[in-house]
Amino acid sequence: EDQVTQSPEALRLQEGESSSLNCSYTVSGLRGLFWYRQDPGKGPEFLFTLYSAGEEKEKERLKATLTKKESFLHITAPKPEDSATYLCAVQGLTGANSKLTFGKGITLSVRP
Amino acid sequence: DTGVSQNPRHKITKRGQNVTFRCDPISEHNRLYWYRQTLGQGPEFLTYFQNEAQLEKSRLLSDRFSAERPKGSFSTLEIQRTEQGDSAMYLCASSLSGINQPQHFGDGTRLSIL
Repeated sequence: EDQVTQSPEALRLQEGESSSLNCSYTVSGLRGLFWYRQDPGKGPEFLFTLYSAGEEKEKERLKATLTKKESFLHITAPKPEDSATYLCAVQGLTGANSKLTFGKGITLSVRP
Repeated sequence: DTGVSQNPRHKITKRGQNVTFRCDPISEHNRLYWYRQTLGQGPEFLTYFQNEAQLEKSRLLSDRFSAERPKGSFSTLEIQRTEQGDSAMYLCASSLSGINQPQHFGDGTRLSIL
């Protein structure tokens, strides 16, 4: 069964203080790893898809990287508007090949 | 692209009642998914449709739950004889078919059971 573990559970940063969010996964064959952002009371908003180890993708202050066992979401010089819960999900090769298995998420708070 | 639309946004009902939620996917997306999310947890997969065909159901989906997608357009999720444990956010997502197409989520229906 596919599993995703995210750490830390919560992270508080000062505006401008860069950091990284971790996503560890076990999957019997990885189709893709997905990062989402979720604001309170809203649905997850798609950020990135990563397919293979060594791949990197960037969007504004965010950069996602992938290894064979984990993914990192690096946040450079965060702003208060980056405060949200960040969800990591994997899509494996077994079962429903479209199903996403999510971690519990990391709640990021950025203080001005 | 108007995004995935879910109705109602909030539903409060008494235990034992039946409830139905609706999801309108992004128009050109032929795949549609239902997930359930409780406080402090990530979304959990419930079921998925390719066009009008329901291709997989999770073990989480008891026989009190039923989902339909007539004509491959909008979808409904019905819960019969609701229980306290059904209180959650029910999320719908849609995607294009093909490998690694991202799923785009609606803002969910929050169900509260009194």
